Amino acid sequence: NAGVTQTPKFQVLKTGQSMTLQCAQDMNHNSMYWYRQDPGMGLRLIYYSASEGTTDKGEVPNGYNVSRLNKREFSLRLESAAPSQTSVYFCASRRRDAGTYTEAFFGQGTRLTVV
Amino acid sequence: AQSVTQLDSHVSVSEGTPVLLRCNYSSSYSPSLFWYVQHPNKGLQLLLKYTSAATLVKGINGFEAEFKKSETSFHLTKPSAHMSDAAEYFCVVESGTYKYIFGTGTRLKVLA
Repeated sequence: NAGVTQTPKFQVLKTGQSMTLQCAQDMNHNSMYWYRQDPGMGLRLIYYSASEGTTDKGEVPNGYNVSRLNKREFSLRLESAAPSQTSVYFCASRRRDAGTYTEAFFGQGTRLTVV
Repeated sequence: AQSVTQLDSHVSVSEGTPVLLRCNYSSSYSPSLFWYVQHPNKGLQLLLKYTSAATLVKGINGFEAEFKKSETSFHLTKPSAHMSDAAEYFCVVESGTYKYIFGTGTRLKVLA
């Protein structure tokens, strides 16, 4: 099982450039999430998609946009990258069963550096 | 509002000695609680979860955690540390929504 797959694994951007981080899950999960991880701050939620066709802001959405392309794929876009967006980005997914959610499964992360 | 506090940012233990990683939570609802482990340059792996069943939860690799409502705690323990346990550990709370709230992490160092 591939689980949650993120691409790319590493990326260096110049300030002002744009890019899209890709995430795909093969577990038939309803909900998908994007987090960023910064030293000493744990993981913070950027955006999430509770189900196909819906997206909502999380704790730190500024500077990002998302697209839930279909049930499997959830992409994160940086329109104009800034050094403050240097971070490790994680995608996660969960399944809803009878009104409750399973635990989240995480991808391996994308390490992004903005110079 | 929900929140989670990991009381130690770094913990060092000798191989073969017990591990205790502390986590306190705040929640308006009956929470679900999780511990995840992250090895260097890897993703997060679920160690164990509490979802209102037994208060003592057993996880993978010999870890366990006890949910104590009166103390609002969910501390992670292991009787005997192994070198491979060196990693960062995250306590997570979820209640009333489908969003996780992460603690800031505890980095465990295991000394030979």
